[in-house]
Amino acid sequence: DAKTTQPTSMDCAEGRAANLPCNHSTISGNEYVYWYRQIHSQGPQYIIHGLKNNETNEMASLIITEDRKSSTLILPHATLRDTAVYYCIVRQQGAQKLVFGQGTRLTINP
Amino acid sequence: NAGVMQNPRHLVRRRGQEARLRCSPMKGHSHVYWYRQLPEEGLKFMVYLQKENIIDESGMPKERFSAEFPKEGPSILRIQQVVRGDSAAYFCASSPQGHWDQPQHFGDGTRLSIL
Repeated sequence: DAKTTQPTSMDCAEGRAANLPCNHSTISGNEYVYWYRQIHSQGPQYIIHGLKNNETNEMASLIITEDRKSSTLILPHATLRDTAVYYCIVRQQGAQKLVFGQGTRLTINP
Repeated sequence: NAGVMQNPRHLVRRRGQEARLRCSPMKGHSHVYWYRQLPEEGLKFMVYLQKENIIDESGMPKERFSAEFPKEGPSILRIQQVVRGDSAAYFCASSPQGHWDQPQHFGDGTRLSIL
């Protein structure tokens, strides 16, 4: 699986859009980009995933650059409940396990 | 729709005892994954199972740990003769099939404490 690089921590004001970057410069053509988050004391929560195209669901949007070497997770209107550790994971075709890095600790401030 | 159910949520054992952690996957999911999160560390894959089969146990410690997913009932992660270093949060995830384009959905974990 390709390695991912994320900032250790970020802050965002409540009500603003939170943009979380992820670098995955060694990604190959058949690898998906997944985003999960872990709120304190809970299990990881699936947010969104994509291969090449941008994706949007009720939780977030995923923007993948054309060369696929980086992506951005966008939480359009952050709330205090979005405070969590966010993990960007690249998953290879045929790979069963998810490889979690250290993630980005996102703090939403009132 | 019930999510992935894990029980117990908290488990306390003394050194040398056995710990059994249970995981019921989401309805319609026949693939189960176990992960461990040591204090202040990231999640690490342990084992991947389908009904009655262990597919990948590359992350399992070589001794004392075992997992099963019987035809009927929940998946069980069993730790024999527990030691202090086994204290961690153990998370189970499930998916419909094992395809890489399908997300795994996680339970809220079992927090194991060893006295």
